Amino acid sequence: DSGVTQTPKHLITATGQRVTLRCSPRSGDLSVYWYQQSLDQGLQFLIQYYNGEERAKGNILERFSAQQFPDLHSELNLSSLELGDSALYFCASTPPGFNYGYTFGSGTRLTVV
Amino acid sequence: AQSVTQPDIHITVSEGASLELRCNYSYGATPYLFWYVQSPGQGLQLLLKYFSGDTLVQGIKGFEAEFKRSQSSFNLRKPSVHWSDAAEYFCAVGLYNQGGKLIFGQGTELSVKP
Repeated sequence: DSGVTQTPKHLITATGQRVTLRCSPRSGDLSVYWYQQSLDQGLQFLIQYYNGEERAKGNILERFSAQQFPDLHSELNLSSLELGDSALYFCASTPPGFNYGYTFGSGTRLTVV
Repeated sequence: AQSVTQPDIHITVSEGASLELRCNYSYGATPYLFWYVQSPGQGLQLLLKYFSGDTLVQGIKGFEAEFKRSQSSFNLRKPSVHWSDAAEYFCAVGLYNQGGKLIFGQGTELSVKP
């Protein structure tokens, strides 16, 4: 157990639907990063939050959004889902400061049918 | 633009043989470099990281990596591979001037022959 908890582990949904992925960071970590892993694109950075505020944005689609709550857990919302959104979604957390102690969760596997 | 290249998509080595996985990066400043391992269905586990200082970095599970600035490389090595090392390996560069996001290479899948 890495200390970063992602739920659900698996999600199967239909095209056009909306889903929410949840990430609880390791205790004491303030930053949460979201990544998408797909066969064709590899591991792509989506978005970062630090202590509730958005800090950096990557190749995140407009249909996707995220937030980090006061208890520091984060949610990634994916809407108007397409087949191509099927992927493994990871979150990672890091402690305060800048020592790159990334800890990854085990991911949520999203299948859009 | 920042990028990470792992030239070998798939490598097969015999158990007990040595291993070297290649990684080249493109980044304008001093890089923060990482190697992660991913077993099937699992998350990413950090093997080792380089921030500064000694260019030979020791990691977990007997892995080491050497940072060579002149070659923009950060190759991962292990002197004797075990069957349990079969997994996918990712090299990444950390962009400390962009919120700390990681840019990953495409990964190298390692198979181990008995």
